[in-house]
Amino acid sequence: GAVVSQHPSRVICKSGTSVKIECRSLDFQATTMFWYRQFPKQSLMLMATSNEGSKATYEQGVEKDKFLINHASLTLSTLTVTSAHPEDSSFYICSARRLGKDEDTQYFGPGTRLTVL
Amino acid sequence: GESVGLHLPTLSVQEGDNSIINCAYSNSASDYFIWYKQESGKGPQFIIDIRSNMDKRQGQRVTVLLNKTVKHLSLQIAATQPGDSAVYFCAENIRGAQKLVFGQGTRLTINP
Repeated sequence: GAVVSQHPSRVICKSGTSVKIECRSLDFQATTMFWYRQFPKQSLMLMATSNEGSKATYEQGVEKDKFLINHASLTLSTLTVTSAHPEDSSFYICSARRLGKDEDTQYFGPGTRLTVL
Repeated sequence: GESVGLHLPTLSVQEGDNSIINCAYSNSASDYFIWYKQESGKGPQFIIDIRSNMDKRQGQRVTVLLNKTVKHLSLQIAATQPGDSAVYFCAENIRGAQKLVFGQGTRLTINP
């Protein structure tokens, strides 16, 4: 199966600081990656679609200046939470889309637990 | 204010029994469906998928059934094992949207 990694797996930061989360597809190239947010006991909520070489597409209600996304290569997308506040504390999960002859599947990273103090 | 999390539907089965997890979807334009398994503190793990031109697909110990008439998807897990305990999400891909919409999830608990 396809492997997607995230770094860091867990981060604690002070309110007002910025945090960068990396998402890498390790064994395939992904022109499209996705960023999700998940609160406890809830489902995944799509935040944005990250396209290699172009601007990300944000879902309604997600502040693009708050959650900066960069997809500079076919294997790496980054999410930067700027000026983080306690309400940004959550589990952030990325996925990478693998396209093939008979495949169009998203493979997920292990997630990053962000805690803002 | 305090946020209240949703209570996930829960299914408890005895080890060795078969389990069926159900999912309803609402968009008739969805053309591709996936089941994911999520263990605590981890990202979702792909289990099995099915395209809208199929009714059934089988994998190792898992079977997905799709009923487009009533917009219903199910995941059957045969001979459940303790390692099957997790939250299971169905996801639908809406044709043209190139993104997945996730269901609320079902927590499966395997009793010894």
